Amino acid sequence: NAGVTQTPKFRILKIGQSMTLQCTQDMNHNYMYWYRQDPGMGLKLIYYSVGAGITDKGEVPNGYNVSRSTTEDFPLRLELAAPSQTSVYFCASSQGGGQPQHFGDGTRLSIL
Amino acid sequence: QKEVEQNSGPLSVPEGAIASLNCTYSDRGSQSFFWYRQYSGKSPELIMFIYSNGDKEDGRFTAQLNKASQYVSLLIRDSQPSDSATYLCAVNGEDSNYQLIWGAGTKLIIKP
Repeated sequence: NAGVTQTPKFRILKIGQSMTLQCTQDMNHNYMYWYRQDPGMGLKLIYYSVGAGITDKGEVPNGYNVSRSTTEDFPLRLELAAPSQTSVYFCASSQGGGQPQHFGDGTRLSIL
Repeated sequence: QKEVEQNSGPLSVPEGAIASLNCTYSDRGSQSFFWYRQYSGKSPELIMFIYSNGDKEDGRFTAQLNKASQYVSLLIRDSQPSDSATYLCAVNGEDSNYQLIWGAGTKLIIKP
């Protein structure tokens, strides 16, 4: 009963490097989301997807890219990492827009 | 700008007492309301969701929704030290059913 799985759990990047945060879900949910959460703050939506091949920007999309080639996978790409992208990243999925979202365990990312 | 407001706390409650957490929202057309619990360093975990005016009970937790006044509350009866966490309120937006609008969370501390 995996639910939403995120990898890696921790990562340290140097400024200017790139990486992909992986997210996969086994609940056959059409809706998937990427959030970032800075220390002591709430969740900010980066990108979301309502189905395979469909993605859209959230509140803070700059510096990130996503793709959704399958229902299960929703990777988040960081290009040219900057210290401001140091955060905890959560992936979530739901059956529909007004339905509960289920979260992965998160990826802690530090940009030095 | 659609908003969800929560008192950041910390809210300190003696063990065994009732903890009352409140959330107000600005979008009068919102239909779905969620309470999540987030332990320090962990991902948000769904506790309750409510769609209709009134109360919804699940064990020690009761969600209360008042659409006319645009607030939703979470009551925790017989509070335990393990209830100490940050509680996030989330609401769907009327014109964007794909997304949830998140409050910044209330930190709850249960004192033994």
